[in-house]
Amino acid sequence: GDSVTQMEGPVTLSEEAFLTINCTYTATGYPSLFWYVQYPGEGLQLLLKATKADDKGSNKGFEATYRKETTSFHLEKGSVQVSDSAVYFCALSASGGSNYKLTFGKGTLLTVNP
Amino acid sequence: DGGITQSPKYLFRKEGQNVTLSCEQNLNHDAMYWYRQDPGQGLRLIYYSQIVNDFQKGDIAEGYSVSREKKESFPLTVTSAQKNPTAFYLCASSIIARDNQPQHFGDGTRLSIL
Repeated sequence: GDSVTQMEGPVTLSEEAFLTINCTYTATGYPSLFWYVQYPGEGLQLLLKATKADDKGSNKGFEATYRKETTSFHLEKGSVQVSDSAVYFCALSASGGSNYKLTFGKGTLLTVNP
Repeated sequence: DGGITQSPKYLFRKEGQNVTLSCEQNLNHDAMYWYRQDPGQGLRLIYYSQIVNDFQKGDIAEGYSVSREKKESFPLTVTSAQKNPTAFYLCASSIIARDNQPQHFGDGTRLSIL
């Protein structure tokens, strides 16, 4: 079945550091890929998405490129801020079929210190 | 502003009691979903609905029930058959149930057992 594996946290960085959160997936066909962010006590917010190979999703300084050859969708940001502290989830939505559920990774907790 | 409203934010259940979690959306989305979030496990799909008066089981439907009598409402009942109901429950919706359509999430309901 479909699965998403993302790097285990927690990740602790200083403000203005470079961020990478690794995400790899297993799926048949051509899934759509997403990064969601969850702030404490809240639901998930869509951060960015990519729907086909070599697409780059970007938002609020975050970027991720859909790499079919390595089945990866790593999240990056050049300079993190304290306000980026949150849990980040990588997710995929499998193509075709009648079940359009999202398959999530376990989440990576990011803490950014001033 | 359009969005998804989940209520209550916190809910307590006694042993042997059924409880119902509310989810309302004013985004005019056709598809709605219920997820369960446990610490360190990401999100798992309980039920989803693509259209009014129709819904399908997700990965962990046992001990839960839903209804979809109106487009904007998708309540989840946690029955006494669910032996481990303590979790954070998230409702989501999307324009249609397609793999490249992002899902929008509510702020969740945290259910605890007394």
